[in-house]
Amino acid sequence: DTAVSQTPKYLVTQMGNDKSIKCEQNLGHDTMYWYKQDSKKFLKIMFSYNNKELIINETVPNRFSPKSPDKAHLNLHINSLELGDSAVYFCASSQDGSGAYNEQFFGPGTRLTVL
Amino acid sequence: AQSVTQLDSQVPVFEEAPVELRCNYSSSVSVYLFWYVQYPNQGLQLLLKYLSGSTLVKGINGFEAEFNKSQTSFHLRKPSVHISDTAEYFCAVSQNDYKLSFGAGTTVTVRA
Repeated sequence: DTAVSQTPKYLVTQMGNDKSIKCEQNLGHDTMYWYKQDSKKFLKIMFSYNNKELIINETVPNRFSPKSPDKAHLNLHINSLELGDSAVYFCASSQDGSGAYNEQFFGPGTRLTVL
Repeated sequence: AQSVTQLDSQVPVFEEAPVELRCNYSSSVSVYLFWYVQYPNQGLQLLLKYLSGSTLVKGINGFEAEFNKSQTSFHLRKPSVHISDTAEYFCAVSQNDYKLSFGAGTTVTVRA
């Protein structure tokens, strides 16, 4: 009964490849997020979708493209992977994105290593 | 825009000793405050949250935090830590803009 799940858990790939990470939530939430956590544990918001609509698009290279086929899914596709993309990527969801309803539930993370 | 400062990057502590993790935020409007914990190789888990009402908030695993509006702080405390509390702790602030702003994190290492 995992609330927020991500696949794969680990992803090792070569520079220049294209890869996708999938995220699903079964909490009935309206808002989903992608975060990048670097080697110093700093969490940076990348994207947020509310009811399948993109609402946050931080300064992220356009090699990163999120896709939300429905409210329960938010996938992240990365083109032309670079060494600097190596990080842990977390998916999260919240009931609503605003204020008090922004308690976010996180997935277990996907550790991406680019060689 | 809001920002979050966690004043301690690393906190070593002995088992059964108390611990306090400090968090300050900057915002000109009302905020909602959260503490999350990240155990090694896991995702983030909510410890507690302040939305309104009593300024002393109790969370899971014996943690509590106090919201101080005048000092714009939301410090996390636990009176007696266990080895299993070794983790990364994140303070976060939300307004009404779909963003949750995280602090840089505090690494707590509990030693026997």
